[in-house]
Amino acid sequence: DIQMTQSPSTLSASVGDRLTITCRASQTISNWLAWYQQKPGNAPKLLIYKASNLQSGVPSRFSGSGSGTEFTLTISGLQPDDFATYYCQHYDSSSPLTFGGGTKVDMK
Amino acid sequence: QVQLQESGPGLVKPSQTLSLTCAVSGDSIRDTSYYWSWVRQPAGKGLEWIGHVYRTGVTTYNASLKSRVTITVDTSNNQFSLKLNSVTAADTAVYYCARGGTVLTPWGQGVLVTVSS
Repeated sequence: DIQMTQSPSTLSASVGDRLTITCRASQTISNWLAWYQQKPGNAPKLLIYKASNLQSGVPSRFSGSGSGTEFTLTISGLQPDDFATYYCQHYDSSSPLTFGGGTKVDMK
Repeated sequence: QVQLQESGPGLVKPSQTLSLTCAVSGDSIRDTSYYWSWVRQPAGKGLEWIGHVYRTGVTTYNASLKSRVTITVDTSNNQFSLKLNSVTAADTAVYYCARGGTVLTPWGQGVLVTVSS
């Protein structure tokens, strides 16, 4: 199975910061990658699909990029509501879904 | 607006079967081409995909759980279900249902299932 590795596991930041979270796949996955945001006590929420497509209703300060084995989620201008844990997820029709280990964004 | 709601016992004894149902509103399982998934999350840990089902009953499971998992769909009642047998403490987690077999959205709020005697 394809393994997804996120880094860093924890990121300390301040409101207004520009953040980048990285997700690496153990083999090439084209652009079959999604990003989710999860706040404590809540279900994950889809932010980005197909590596760079913003889900409807998600603020434009979130962006995704990458293809092949390396992907990034960028938050441009961190807002108080953005302190959360972020997960990448590989998907395609012929493989099981696999998630990265998560990146917790907390307050510096 | 599509909503999913998990239900089922919050406490299951070791070696028994965990059974959960996900009720779907705002969308028809019978009339759409979505898959319907189950995902779990142990406390303080990451997300693990369990499997998914299509409206026809076709299923795909995580290989690590395949021998113990059954996911079924009930289009008449617009819901789908999860059964996990021979549970141990390692199966204690929040269980989520979600729409989709690739990208998952939306998700249910989740239900905590504890395996303990």
